[in-house]
Amino acid sequence: GEQVEQRPPHLSVREGDSAVITCTYTDPNSYYFFWYKQEPGASLQLLMKVFSSTEINEGQGFTVLLNKKDKRLSLNLTAAHPGDSAAYFCAVSGVNNRIFFGDGTQLVVKP
Amino acid sequence: GPKVLQIPSHQIIDMGQMVTLNCDPVSNHLYFYWYKQILGQQMEFLVNFYNGKVMEKSKLFKDQFSVERPDGSYFTLKIQPTALEDSAVYFCASSLGDPNYAEQFFGPGTRLTVL
Repeated sequence: GEQVEQRPPHLSVREGDSAVITCTYTDPNSYYFFWYKQEPGASLQLLMKVFSSTEINEGQGFTVLLNKKDKRLSLNLTAAHPGDSAAYFCAVSGVNNRIFFGDGTQLVVKP
Repeated sequence: GPKVLQIPSHQIIDMGQMVTLNCDPVSNHLYFYWYKQILGQQMEFLVNFYNGKVMEKSKLFKDQFSVERPDGSYFTLKIQPTALEDSAVYFCASSLGDPNYAEQFFGPGTRLTVL
């Protein structure tokens, strides 16, 4: 079955720096990709959903890149601020009615 | 935006007892899910449910687990009997369409502690 590996597990950056989180997946038939943000004590909030035909996806303050050849998905927070401090999870889905989550990245943005 | 509610927010029970976790999904959603998250670890899929039936379940969905949504009321996860390793936060989610592409909306979670 699908395996999703997310790196790094922990990331600490200064305010204004960029932060990059990467996921790799194994199933070449995967075609929907998601990034979720989870603040402490809260539930998951969808940041972006990406379909496999779109390689570059711009959000508010972040960019999601999809490299299907390398089976890699990345979330790039371009100028992080303390409000971005949270856990981030990638998720991948394909033809099997199931979404597979990465292990999560705990991001800390220091003022 | 659409909200998924979960009741209760915390539950503490003794090992071997039965527990029912309740989820009030988004009103027009058709697909329902349960996930388990042990503290500090990833979200793990348990089961998804559509049209009154379990569509798919993971190996974490033990025989002691069951789900139902009688008459469009709460979508429930029942664990009977509970074990120590069932302690976790359980998240319910719902989506309007097919799990493969439709956004899942997550509830705030129920923290279950089995003593």
